[in-house]
Amino acid sequence: GEDVEQSLFLSVREGDSSVINCTYTDSSSTYLYWYKQEPGAGLQLLTYIFSNMDMKQDQRLTVLLNKKDKHLSLRIADTQTGDSAIYFCADLNSGGYQKVTFGTGTKLQVIP
Amino acid sequence: NAGVTQTPKFQVLKTGQSMTLQCAQDMNHNSMYWYRQDPGMGLRLIYYSASEGTTDKGEVPNGYNVSRLNKREFSLRLESAAPSQTSVYFCASRAASGGVNEQFFGPGTRLTVL
Repeated sequence: GEDVEQSLFLSVREGDSSVINCTYTDSSSTYLYWYKQEPGAGLQLLTYIFSNMDMKQDQRLTVLLNKKDKHLSLRIADTQTGDSAIYFCADLNSGGYQKVTFGTGTKLQVIP
Repeated sequence: NAGVTQTPKFQVLKTGQSMTLQCAQDMNHNSMYWYRQDPGMGLRLIYYSASEGTTDKGEVPNGYNVSRLNKREFSLRLESAAPSQTSVYFCASRAASGGVNEQFFGPGTRLTVL
């Protein structure tokens, strides 16, 4: 079946850029998402990219998609302590009920 | 709009007890989902309902049953709880037609089975 992989942990200093990486196996993905989960809460959509795009920028967030390598990344510029959370990569495929597959999540720790 | 609501927020069960986790959404979404979240394993799909009146198994359905009571409500039942079902359970919904199609998540139910 489809697989979405992420590293489990990333630590950065406040003010630096964070880059969270994700690889996926489903070649029929239509949308790829980044969700953010703050402690004790559910997931919230942070940003997304359509599969025919290479890059999307939204304020401090930049999403890069390399379809050939099935690699997705999320860059957070000027990382703040409020960005500390778990970030999930997810992909939506085009078949059946449009299944969403989530990665394991990357816990971002921002050091003041 | 309340979005996706889940009850209860916390629950402790003894092995063998049963319980039902409730989920409701007020966004008129067609599809609803139940996930469990365990450390280092991300979100795993238990059951989903593509539309009112239909339900299907996800990755880890064993030990669970679901009911799509109406378009708004989707419940998850543990008939005989086991310690392996200790987890955080999330309900989600999505419109499932057109646009970005993101899922909207509830706040979760933290379940401990002793």
